[in-house]
Amino acid sequence: EIVMTQSPATLSVSPGERATLSCRASQSVSNNLGWYQQKPGQAPRLLIYGASTRATGVPARFSGSGSGTEFTLTISSLQSEDFGLYYCQQYSNWPFTFGPGTKVDIK
Amino acid sequence: QVQLVESGGGLVKPGGSLRLSCAASGFTFRDYYMSWTRQAAGKGLEWVSYISGTSSDTNYADSVKGRFTISRDNAKNSLYLQMNSLRAEDTAVYYCARDHSVGGPGDWGQGTLVTVSS
Repeated sequence: EIVMTQSPATLSVSPGERATLSCRASQSVSNNLGWYQQKPGQAPRLLIYGASTRATGVPARFSGSGSGTEFTLTISSLQSEDFGLYYCQQYSNWPFTFGPGTKVDIK
Repeated sequence: QVQLVESGGGLVKPGGSLRLSCAASGFTFRDYYMSWTRQAAGKGLEWVSYISGTSSDTNYADSVKGRFTISRDNAKNSLYLQMNSLRAEDTAVYYCARDHSVGGPGDWGQGTLVTVSS
């Protein structure tokens, strides 16, 4: 099983600042990597798939990069609605696995 | 727009069974892989199962293999998860999703809560 790790566990950011979230896979997943945002009491929302392709309706301030084992989600200028939990997920190898999440909160 | 509405969750005793349903609309259901993902309270996401558009390709997490069965009815635009021999550790919110790629949930439903407790 491919183990996904995310860092940091918590990221405190002021509105308007840049946020950089990291995701690492225990073995290569090529570009079969997605990023999700989840707010309390809500279902996850797909932000990025294919490591760098924004899902429909996702603002341009969200960008993804990386391939193989190292991936990054960048939020260029954090807005108030961006606070929440962020998960990465690999869908390269079964069983498909999620990382433990990074919580982005207000500094 | 894509809509996914889960139902069928509830309280069940250990060893019991439950069947979850997911009603889909806003897209050509038969053209997409669909999946179930679950989340225990305060915990992370765990992918559970997927099924191809023709039902010819299915897969399960080891934690549910042999106990859960995924199926779909394309005529009814519906996805199902039959859950047997339920355990306390199956307690979670279960989400259905339209996959953007095999194994990659794209659009998600609002979830249905399954509680396994005596």
